[in-house]
Amino acid sequence: DQQVKQNSPSLSVQEGRISILNCDYTNSMFDYFLWYKKYPAEGPTFLISISSIKDKNEDGRFTVFLNKSAKHLSLHIVPSQPGDSAVYFCAASESGGSNYKLTFGKGTLLTVNP
Amino acid sequence: NAGVMQNPRHLVRRRGQEARLRCSPMKGHSHVYWYRQLPEEGLKFMVYLQKENIIDESGMPKERFSAEFPKEGPSILRIQQVVRGDSAAYFCASSSTLLAGGGQETQYFGPGTRLLVL
Repeated sequence: DQQVKQNSPSLSVQEGRISILNCDYTNSMFDYFLWYKKYPAEGPTFLISISSIKDKNEDGRFTVFLNKSAKHLSLHIVPSQPGDSAVYFCAASESGGSNYKLTFGKGTLLTVNP
Repeated sequence: NAGVMQNPRHLVRRRGQEARLRCSPMKGHSHVYWYRQLPEEGLKFMVYLQKENIIDESGMPKERFSAEFPKEGPSILRIQQVVRGDSAAYFCASSSTLLAGGGQETQYFGPGTRLLVL
């Protein structure tokens, strides 16, 4: 039972264009969402997060959008750079006593071509 | 400011042997989380520890797996009598504040230990 789904295993974009990575979730108790970036042979690196009380959070080139009614979030990277090439994981946690427990999607491999 | 450290980075064991994975949290962090990533899968929560306490081990297999975070020294994830299905990347994360029942605090991940069981 996969509660966080990243349906695109891979995405390829040209340098300078926008990258859009998508994530869907099924657990209505999730109220905090995060994106992590992972290079090969390294651990995930926190990128950006959003609380369910917001629908958008922006940090430099990275913007996360949350559509609670559709249980969907997306990460926009503008402009994309070759160094952004990595696996991107969407993660979510519930409110309350177990909010430390992150549930991850399977990841999307982003390749940014020069 | 050293990040989360894990060792060894790679570990090869034969079936039936024991595997010990170590994790030193970031300086100032007293909360440690272990996650496992099987091939082609996302990371899955295993256990949450504070110093000398296991807070939540609901994601850890009931048999052969144990975790500790002693008063001194790193957190240890121990797998006894390893089987091929234990082959995975094991990631440790740490955070600085008590999360349970409180606000959100970012978890910072280590580089992982890649366990291969022959």
